[in-house]
Amino acid sequence: NAGVMQNPRHLVRRRGQEARLRCSPMKGHSHVYWYRQLPEEGLKFMVYLQKENIIDESGMPKERFSAEFPKEGPSILRIQQVVRGDSAAYFCASSPGILRDTEREQYFGPGTRLTVT
Amino acid sequence: AQSVTQPDIHITVSEGASLELRCNYSYGATPYLFWYVQSPGQGLQLLLKYFSGDTLVQGIKGFEAEFKRSQSSFNLRKPSVHWSDAAEYFCAVGAYSSASKLNFGSGTRLSIRP
Repeated sequence: NAGVMQNPRHLVRRRGQEARLRCSPMKGHSHVYWYRQLPEEGLKFMVYLQKENIIDESGMPKERFSAEFPKEGPSILRIQQVVRGDSAAYFCASSPGILRDTEREQYFGPGTRLTVT
Repeated sequence: AQSVTQPDIHITVSEGASLELRCNYSYGATPYLFWYVQSPGQGLQLLLKYFSGDTLVQGIKGFEAEFKRSQSSFNLRKPSVHWSDAAEYFCAVGAYSSASKLNFGSGTRLSIRP
């Protein structure tokens, strides 16, 4: 059973370009979470999605950032017109659900390290 | 507001010595509590979790943690550390009423002295 997969693992973008980060949850998981880790800091929640729905985007910057989790395919975190401050590690996590305690455990992917030059 | 505090930024212990990493939380509801470990350049691996029941929980790699409601703490312990335990450790808290997100502490970097 493959774990959470993220690609690319490393992404370099020039200021003003777009960055697309992909996350494939574990098999059987329908809940996806995105977190951002700035250098020397802990992870900060960005957005929580279920298939075709954004459930909680309270941690998403108001502009330039968007996320989706379509019916088919991976979840995408999209950053438009990147700036140097967007340089960070972006982690995706998935869980099977939220109804039972055992379903609330989040499994993390290896992350995408975005560098904006 | 929810918050998680890991007061120790960096800890160094000798190989074979015991370890305790501190985690304090501020929550208005029953929390879910987790400890994750992150090796350099890697993702996060779950060490252990507390949802309810026995307040002393056992995890992988010989780690354990104890939930103390009166102290709002969930400290991570290991009786004897190994050089391979050198990593960054994160405490995280989730709300029972909202499973949408985890709040992470700022992390404790563990170094092992040979």
